[in-house]
Amino acid sequence: EPEVTQTPSHQVTQMGQEVILRCVPISNHLYFYWYRQILGQKVEFLVSFYNNEISEKSEIFDDQFSVERPDGSNFTLKIRSTKLEDSAMYFCASDRYNEQFFGPGTRLTVL
Amino acid sequence: SQQGEEDPQALSIQEGENATMNCSYKTSINNLQWYRQNSGRGLVHLILIRSNEREKHSGRLRVTLDTSKKSSSLLITASRAADTASYFCASEHSGGGADGLTFGKGTHLIIQP
Repeated sequence: EPEVTQTPSHQVTQMGQEVILRCVPISNHLYFYWYRQILGQKVEFLVSFYNNEISEKSEIFDDQFSVERPDGSNFTLKIRSTKLEDSAMYFCASDRYNEQFFGPGTRLTVL
Repeated sequence: SQQGEEDPQALSIQEGENATMNCSYKTSINNLQWYRQNSGRGLVHLILIRSNEREKHSGRLRVTLDTSKKSSSLLITASRAADTASYFCASEHSGGGADGLTFGKGTHLIIQP
């Protein structure tokens, strides 16, 4: 069964560094999303992407964040200058008929 | 309460018993989805129920939706130890576009063998 994949599974970085989290959505899906989950807290929506542009974004998704679909398969989330509070699990999701399927997540640790 | 609040926050039952978890939301929705998350792992999609549906089944799962009360329930029948996980409801707001889901805090379910 097709599934969403994410790399890396764990990323450790220094505060102020840039990170790029990568996702490969399910191939025939049209909508793509990024969410994050700070340890012990709710899953929070960051951004959605459709037709090569941002469709919706939350208050969390400020100028430090950007998303890109550089080719036909990858979907990336870039954090320009990481802060300690960016430490979280980051989940990518994709959907075609409203059912959102999530990847296994990337655990980002900012030191 | 916040959009997508589940109760109870934690539930511990014996293997073989049924587990019921509830979820409430505040705004009009297109659909509501239930997910399972094992500790520190990804979110597994369980079931989606649309706003015009009242009940849906998938294997040992039964989901109901009451739009007049803005609530949903997830019933797991004949529970197994492997069902131990956190369960989240996530609602999609009414409206166009690629709407993000609003998640609740989840119910942590423990199945005692």
